[in-house]
Amino acid sequence: DAGITQSPRYKITETGRQVTLMCHQTWSHSYMFWYRQDLGHGLRLIYYSAAADITDKGEVPDGYVVSRSKTENFPLTLESATRSQTSVYFCASSETSGVTQYFGPGTRLLVL
Amino acid sequence: GNSVTQMEGPVTLSEEAFLTINCTYTATGYPSLFWYVQYPGEGLQLLLKATKADDKGSNKGFEATYRKETTSFHLEKGSVQVSDSAVYFCALRPSDGQNFVFGPGTRLSVLP
Repeated sequence: DAGITQSPRYKITETGRQVTLMCHQTWSHSYMFWYRQDLGHGLRLIYYSAAADITDKGEVPDGYVVSRSKTENFPLTLESATRSQTSVYFCASSETSGVTQYFGPGTRLLVL
Repeated sequence: GNSVTQMEGPVTLSEEAFLTINCTYTATGYPSLFWYVQYPGEGLQLLLKATKADDKGSNKGFEATYRKETTSFHLEKGSVQVSDSAVYFCALRPSDGQNFVFGPGTRLSVLP
């Protein structure tokens, strides 16, 4: 089915480990986004990408790395996980900037 | 800077009650305004939107009117159902940029 998927849906890791969260969309949308959702903060933008090989920082990029070698994929890597990165991570895509964003189901990450 | 403020809740209502979730914003120019809904265990879905002053967005019995004079975009529904239980996010897209700004979300519980 067409849509936007994220994997894994749940992940437990330890402080200092590298973790990669995957995001895949089948609409060929140009824009893709990574958000984290925390109580009291709503959604905060981590990184976004306007097209393949084009990425830019959002509001809270520290500790994260992204890449976009293909239009349909936008992985998010935590290079050395910290407890403060325990959160729910949402990937989203949109056809162009500013129009409706479509969200994936989220990845719940726990860093011990 | 740009920001969105909304009542955090939780809001608990009985079925068929009237719902209002307040949302106010700070932004320069004329942002686009959105309400997203997040059902348990799922990603965010667009509920409705308005792109200019005095526009009314509506969907599934929910309505919100873009009020430039009060910088507000309050969400209303005349008769809520148990199936409306979810977290509701108010968001804006600035007129001078592409990144959305989300409010903290309001959890709504509707009791039978």
